[in-house]
Amino acid sequence: DAKTTQPTSMDCAEGRAANLPCNHSTISGNEYVYWYRQIHSQGPQYIIHGLKNNETNEMASLIITEDRKSSTLILPHATLRDTAVYYCIVKEVGTGTASKLTFGTGTRLQVTL
Amino acid sequence: NAGVTQTPKFQVLKTGQSMTLQCAQDMNHNSMYWYRQDPGMGLRLIYYSASEGTTDKGEVPNGYNVSRLNKREFSLRLESAAPSQTSVYFCASTRLVNTEAFFGQGTRLTVV
Repeated sequence: DAKTTQPTSMDCAEGRAANLPCNHSTISGNEYVYWYRQIHSQGPQYIIHGLKNNETNEMASLIITEDRKSSTLILPHATLRDTAVYYCIVKEVGTGTASKLTFGTGTRLQVTL
Repeated sequence: NAGVTQTPKFQVLKTGQSMTLQCAQDMNHNSMYWYRQDPGMGLRLIYYSASEGTTDKGEVPNGYNVSRLNKREFSLRLESAAPSQTSVYFCASTRLVNTEAFFGQGTRLTVV
């Protein structure tokens, strides 16, 4: 699986959009981009994933550049409860039956009043 | 719907003791996983079970064994605990290969 690079930490004011970048310059055509977050040492929580098109769900939006070498996770209106470590993970489209994830150290997002 | 349930939540072991961490999911998922997370680090895969009856090694399998007891349950055993195994252990499950993973709340293990 391709390696990802994320900033170590970011701050965001409550109510503002949080834009979390991720570089994955060695991504291949059959690899998805996944985002998970971990709130205060709880189990990681799935947020969103995409292959090449932008994606949106009730939690966030995922913007993937046309060359797929980077992506941005957008939390449109960050709240204090969004304070967490956010992991960007690149994973090969599986041909087997398991979905193994390789976690880096992620971005620690601090949402402030 | 409880999702993924891990027991116990906390455990302290002495070096050389053995124990089994239990994990159960009620979502009828096919695949289950065990990860460990050391302080300040991301999660690392220990073992996984792609389907009932199969298990495979992950990134850091040494010192551990697993059993996929049935479709719901996947246990992790430490035969002779070492201080290096002090960590937070997370169990996860997925329905299909490219679907999202659901994680338990973790077991915090300290080996003294």
